[in-house]
Amino acid sequence: GDSVTQTEGLVTLTKGLPVMLNCTYQTTYSPFLFWYVQHLNEAPKLLLKSSTDNKRTEHQGFYATLHKSSSSFHLQKSSVQLSDSALYFCALRNMGYKLTFGTGTSLLVDP
Amino acid sequence: DMKVTQMPRYLIKRMGENVLLECGQDMSHETMYWYRQDPGLGLQLIYISYDVDSNSEGDIPKGYRVSRKKREHFSLILDSAKTNQTSVYFCASSEGDEQYFGPGTRLTVL
Repeated sequence: GDSVTQTEGLVTLTKGLPVMLNCTYQTTYSPFLFWYVQHLNEAPKLLLKSSTDNKRTEHQGFYATLHKSSSSFHLQKSSVQLSDSALYFCALRNMGYKLTFGTGTSLLVDP
Repeated sequence: DMKVTQMPRYLIKRMGENVLLECGQDMSHETMYWYRQDPGLGLQLIYISYDVDSNSEGDIPKGYRVSRKKREHFSLILDSAKTNQTSVYFCASSEGDEQYFGPGTRLTVL
């Protein structure tokens, strides 16, 4: 079946440094990938989405490119801020509007 | 402003008691979801509802049931709660690609 893999459970960075959070997926359908962000004690919110191969999508300083050849949709930012500290989920849309979520990556930004 | 609400926000129950978690949305979305979130496991889909009385099992439906009698309201029921159902439960609704999540209910089963 469909699956999403996020290899890092916790990423700790100093403010101002770049970050890349990994996401790879497996599916037999045409992939539609999402990144959701969840700040502490808040609901998850959509950050990015894409179904277009090799096209960069951006929002709030974060960006990601869907690469079908490598089944990846890594999330990047060139300079992290303290407010970026949160839990980030990669998700894959299945048939019937279902999403399969990865296990999540906690990003902790130090001053 | 699009909004998904959940009640209650916090709940403590004893093993064997029945639990009712309620979710509402004001966007007239047809599709609604119940997830649970556990550390290291991400969000796991319990049930999905495509409209009133049109519900489908998700990935982990065992021990849960749902009810949707109005489009804007979706309930999650735990008959005889178990300690391993201690978790944070999120409701969501969607239109098109984006899912909108509620604030969550933290359920503790003692």
